[in-house]
Amino acid sequence: AQSVAQPEDQVNVAEGNPLTVKCTYSVSGNPYLFWYVQYPNRGLQFLLKYITGDNLVKGSYGFEAEFNKSQTSFHLKKPSALVSDSALYFCAVRDMGNTDKLIFGTGTRLQVFP
Amino acid sequence: GAGVSQSPSNKVTEKGKDVELRCDPISGHTALYWYRQSLGQGLEFLIYFQGNSAPDKSGLPSDRFSAERTGGSVSTLTIQRTQQEDSAVYLCASSLSGVVAGGSYEQYFGPGTRLTVT
Repeated sequence: AQSVAQPEDQVNVAEGNPLTVKCTYSVSGNPYLFWYVQYPNRGLQFLLKYITGDNLVKGSYGFEAEFNKSQTSFHLKKPSALVSDSALYFCAVRDMGNTDKLIFGTGTRLQVFP
Repeated sequence: GAGVSQSPSNKVTEKGKDVELRCDPISGHTALYWYRQSLGQGLEFLIYFQGNSAPDKSGLPSDRFSAERTGGSVSTLTIQRTQQEDSAVYLCASSLSGVVAGGSYEQYFGPGTRLTVT
């Protein structure tokens, strides 16, 4: 069965420091991977995706993620965190069946302290 | 352009009542999804519509849940005889078909409807 794991419920980082939010996946075949962010009382906003090509993908708001096939990981990164980055982050993988539905991780709350 | 819209934004209902949640997808998006976000359950897929094809209802938790999509656009999710465990945020998303979009696959989400069953 396909799945996504986000091992950290919460990540705390000081403003200006680099941040990493971890994600690992389990799928058969080549994965289509996504990161979404959710601000309080808002829907999910698309950040970035990996479909094929370069392992390092760049997305919105200065975020990037690195696809690592051997480690089955797709960690989200940002070189310098902002307080406004504080939100709930979800990693997701596309279902490899007949639909494009997304299978989500449980989410990681990022808290950036001034 | 306009994003995905959902109504109502909040709904409080008594146990046993029926509720209808509405989703307006982005114009031109052929695929529409409903997900449910619950405390402790994360985000779970409910149902998927793609064009005129039969919907994928594999995620609906019980036969009290149903959904329709009229004219390939607006969708309504109906929950009959609501139970307290139905309390959650119901999210709708739309996307271009993966094939049409050359494999882009990203989904765009609405703000959600927060359902509280008392």
